[in-house]
Amino acid sequence: QKEVEQNSGPLSVPEGAIASLNCTYSDRGSQSFFWYRQYSGKSPELIMFIYSNGDKEDGRFTAQLNKASQYVSLLIRDSQPSDSATYLCAVNVVAGNNRKLIWGLGTSLAVNP
Amino acid sequence: GAVVSQHPSWVICKSGTSVKIECRSLDFQATTMFWYRQFPKQSLMLMATSNEGSKATYEQGVEKDKFLINHASLTLSTLTVTSAHPEDSSFYICSAQSKLNQPQHFGDGTRLSIL
Repeated sequence: QKEVEQNSGPLSVPEGAIASLNCTYSDRGSQSFFWYRQYSGKSPELIMFIYSNGDKEDGRFTAQLNKASQYVSLLIRDSQPSDSATYLCAVNVVAGNNRKLIWGLGTSLAVNP
Repeated sequence: GAVVSQHPSWVICKSGTSVKIECRSLDFQATTMFWYRQFPKQSLMLMATSNEGSKATYEQGVEKDKFLINHASLTLSTLTVTSAHPEDSSFYICSAQSKLNQPQHFGDGTRLSIL
C-alpha cells in the first residue's frame, strides 16, 4: 500500500513566522512531489512542485526534497493570516498504465495575527 | 495559465435524477483528467482517471455504471452521476494534467445535493 503521511495539526504560528510542513512517503519509485493548499469548502490549489533532491524556492515558499529519506517539506516564510488553510502533500505513483497522486490527509495551518 | 473550468458549481436535484458535470481545460491540452470526491472534513478520494479517447480507469469500489466518465477531447471530460441518491451528495472535483509527472490543475468543484 503506497502511503503519504502528514501531521494533521493544527499547526499554529504567529504572523510573520516561518511555518514548516512535513510529509513522508512510502514509494521509493516516486519521481514528482506536490504541495497543494485547500481552503475550507474550496478545491485544492497548486503551491509548489519538486522533482529533484534539494530546495526549490518560489516567493515565500520553499519546497525541500530528500529522496533517500523519502521526505518532502514545505516552508512558508513571513506567514500571513491568509495562509491559514489545509496543506496537502501529494506524490505521483505508477498505477497500471497511468500515474496518479497519492494524497496525505493534510496539515491544518493557522496563522495568528 | 493552466486554468480548469468546472460546471456547474452547485446542483440540487431530486433522487433518481442523473446529473452531468463538465470539466474543461481552457488554456492547455489535458491528456489525462481525474475525478475526485470529497466528503466534509475528509481527504480527496480519487474516483477515476481518464485519458482522451480511452475508457476511464476506476478506483476500487467506484461503480463505473453509476459514475459515467467521458473524455471525448483533449479539453473536455464529463462525469455523469446516474440515478443519483442522497448518499451521492458530495463535493466532486475534477483535475487536468498536460503530461505525465506534471502537476494536476483543479477545477473549482461541484457541490451536489440530492434530496
